[in-house]
Amino acid sequence: DAKTTQPPSMDCAEGRAANLPCNHSTISGNEYVYWYRQIHSQGPQYIIHGLKNNETNEMASLIITEDRKSSTLILPHATLRDTAVYYCIVRSMDGNTPLVFGKGTRLSVIA
Amino acid sequence: EAGVTQFPSHSVIEKGQTVTLRCDPISGHDNLYWYRRVMGKEIKFLLHFVKESKQDESGMPNNRFLAERTGGTYSTLKVQPAELEDSGVYFCASSRWGYNEQFFGPGTRLTVL
Repeated sequence: DAKTTQPPSMDCAEGRAANLPCNHSTISGNEYVYWYRQIHSQGPQYIIHGLKNNETNEMASLIITEDRKSSTLILPHATLRDTAVYYCIVRSMDGNTPLVFGKGTRLSVIA
Repeated sequence: EAGVTQFPSHSVIEKGQTVTLRCDPISGHDNLYWYRRVMGKEIKFLLHFVKESKQDESGMPNNRFLAERTGGTYSTLKVQPAELEDSGVYFCASSRWGYNEQFFGPGTRLTVL
């Protein structure tokens, strides 16, 4: 079962920042936080992952709390193409393990 | 580089028939994973290949499902005989050994009537 809890849905105005929260209170010290998204009718797409420090790439930023029990994915300037289901996943540091998907958050970006 | 490809994109079969799904991973990716989403449920892991070997098949629902990965390249997932509850979208993903990012294919939508 997924070790994460996310709100089922969120709305965001186009051009604004989208902040997607995730709770993972049972995360262990050897587990990363990953974010993937699934745009309608496509396969899931990797966004970002982190251990304990904040991470940023060309797609998003990941903010992990100091106790590592929760995190927030930030899309700085959401566009209509960012409408998707976003999955927060806790996964072993061993990169050779499967992903455990929860229900995710359905983000709707509104014009 | 070319992404993960899956064939067919859609398949409609009748209960009791056999269907074979194919996945071509990104070249050089030793890890290959199969997942599926059945209607209204989360995406679930089915099995994991490392090259041609099955590393983990704990998610395979029953013995009607048979997966192979010939020569550590492409993989097939056969369902025989298909049942109504097998309907869903089957995803394949690949990654380099030791790398965190999995690259997913577009999926095969299977409908069993």
